[in-house]
Amino acid sequence: EAGVAQSPRYKIIEKRQSVAFWCNPISGHATLYWYQQILGQGPKLLIQFQNNGVVDDSQLPKDRFSAERLKGVDSTLKIQPAKLEDSAVYLCASSLLATYQETQYFGPGTRLLVL
Amino acid sequence: GQQLNQSPQSMFIQEGEDVSMNCTSSSIFNTWLWYKQDPGEGPVLLIALYKAGELTSNGRLTAQFGITRKDSFLNISASIPSDVGIYFCAGQGGSQGNLIFGKGTKLSVKP
Repeated sequence: EAGVAQSPRYKIIEKRQSVAFWCNPISGHATLYWYQQILGQGPKLLIQFQNNGVVDDSQLPKDRFSAERLKGVDSTLKIQPAKLEDSAVYLCASSLLATYQETQYFGPGTRLLVL
Repeated sequence: GQQLNQSPQSMFIQEGEDVSMNCTSSSIFNTWLWYKQDPGEGPVLLIALYKAGELTSNGRLTAQFGITRKDSFLNISASIPSDVGIYFCAGQGGSQGNLIFGKGTKLSVKP
């Protein structure tokens, strides 16, 4: 079974530029999560989708971050404009359902460096 | 917001030694999870605990869900070089599956 796919794996941009990350979850997984992991920290949830609807985006900085999952499968996370403090690993995870006993499977992440 | 205190931050041990790390919270969680993250990869689930007091093993790993539901520990017995990595605890409090992660314990194993 294929795991969670993410691209690109690495991205370097200058501050104020825009960037987009793509995630393809495990086939059949209804729930998709985007996490931000700053160096030396654990992942922090940015947004959770159930199919193509947003379940929780309370920690998403909506002035610059946006995410969509239009057909309930792939998802994109965008930052516009980027700031220096956005340098982090952006992890995508998916689970079969959104209940608390469902295992979340993580992708390898996209490493973003903002200069 | 909810925070997890994970300790120790890092450990340097000799191959064959046992390892213990723990996580505490000021809030109650319904589920405690332990993940391992290798460099350049996403976290991988090691053990999931769903009931207060539960003690679960996965090979050389053993984890417990504290009775107060505010803490958990992970033990690794007879460490080997491939145990190197960062171990994260995570708690789930609500019904929607949202995870709160600790800051991680970086494990180094000397052959």
